[in-house]
Order: sequence, then structure tokens, then C-alpha cells
Amino acid sequence: QKEVEQDPGPLSVPEGAIVSLNCTYSNSAFQYFMWYRQYSRKGPELLMYTYSSGNKEDGRFTAQVDKSSKYISLFIRDSQPSDSATYLCAMSPSRGYLNRDDKIIFGKGTRLHILP
Amino acid sequence: GAVVSQHPSWVICKSGTSVKIECRSLDFQATTMFWYRQFPKQSLMLMATSNEGSKATYEQGVEKDKFLINHASLTLSTLTVTSAHPEDSSFYICSATAGLETQYFGPGTRLLVL
Repeated sequence: QKEVEQDPGPLSVPEGAIVSLNCTYSNSAFQYFMWYRQYSRKGPELLMYTYSSGNKEDGRFTAQVDKSSKYISLFIRDSQPSDSATYLCAMSPSRGYLNRDDKIIFGKGTRLHILP
Repeated sequence: GAVVSQHPSWVICKSGTSVKIECRSLDFQATTMFWYRQFPKQSLMLMATSNEGSKATYEQGVEKDKFLINHASLTLSTLTVTSAHPEDSSFYICSATAGLETQYFGPGTRLLVL
């Protein structure tokens, strides 16, 4: 079983719809969870950053972590064509890089298309 | 947010030549920089971690003699792909952190080896 599983998509939804993106993981040591957005031929851009379980909201984006189920989600409300990109989940045992093993593990990314 | 730049943004080279990619943190001092490789439709794969003034730590399976990393200052790290071959063609992305912050990624460098 891979450490982080993410459905590659593509996921196509109409403009204005609510988008749900998800990842599952197997390592119970993960404490920090991130979502990155990557446009084609560009580097990833950090969208959301959460610690442990719970919800975090930032504008149209909501990140949700369920550590008991080892499941994280990113919700996008009122989706827009500019949201079309690849979304990567990422996670790490710690916030810093004090230990060599505390590297960030990325999912493969889900390609999202918002249809105008 | 913090800005990380990479240069060049794309490069085409002949097989057997060496290519140098620069990664700069523009508005913060990066205690640690990371180099990733991303193949199409694949996840980011960490190649190496570098701290300013010390040798890079390479991930298992990454040849340190082929992918030379130099982290000469707190704002600059370079990756040199030596004797590049077509299988080295990929998207190379660097990221930087100030220590207890998350990683900030550069825009990436697309390498095509003919």
C-alpha cells in the first residue's frame, strides 16, 4: 500500500459546483497536511495547511482532516474555470525538517476541470 | 507569500552534456532547499535535500555523482545534471524553507535531452 493515495482524475464539474478532492494515507505518524495547486507547466502553490484533525476554511476553500479514518479532503465552493488545475495533497510527520525522515510525501495529484 | 525562482524555465540539450539549474529564494533566507523531479502524471519525487554550506542528502536511488547539488548561500542552490541522457528528461522543481515553515516551490525547469 502506498503511503498516500490520490485519485488522478480527471474530474470535470460545471462552473459553480462544489468540488470535493480527497486523499487517503497509511502512515499514522502524519500530523501536518497540505493541499497544493499546480497549474500546467508550473510549480506547486500552497493552498491550505492544517495540523491534526479538523476543518480549516480560507475563502472558497475548506480543508478537512479525519485522522481516525486517515482521510483528508479539500472542498472548493462556487468553483470557477480558473480553479482548473492539478491538486496535490501532501503530508508530513512534523512541521519542520529537524529529522531527515520528516519529509513531505505527496499524492500523485487530481486533475480538475471546471467547465464554463 | 515567499517567492522562489528557478532558471532556466526550460532547456533543451544534447545527450552527454551537462545542465545547471539555479534555484533562488528571493525574499527570505532558505535554511533548506529541496530538489524534486516530476514525470508526466506522476507525483513529485524528492531527489535531495540540501542545507547551506553542507553536502546534500540524496534519496535512495538518486545518483549523487550524476545530480550535483551545491548550496552555496542561504538564497541559492544549484542542481547540475551531468552527462544528461534522454531518460533524464523531466520537470525539475526546487523548493525552499526557512526552517519551521512549509515549503515554497519554484516554477520548475523543464529539461529535454535529445
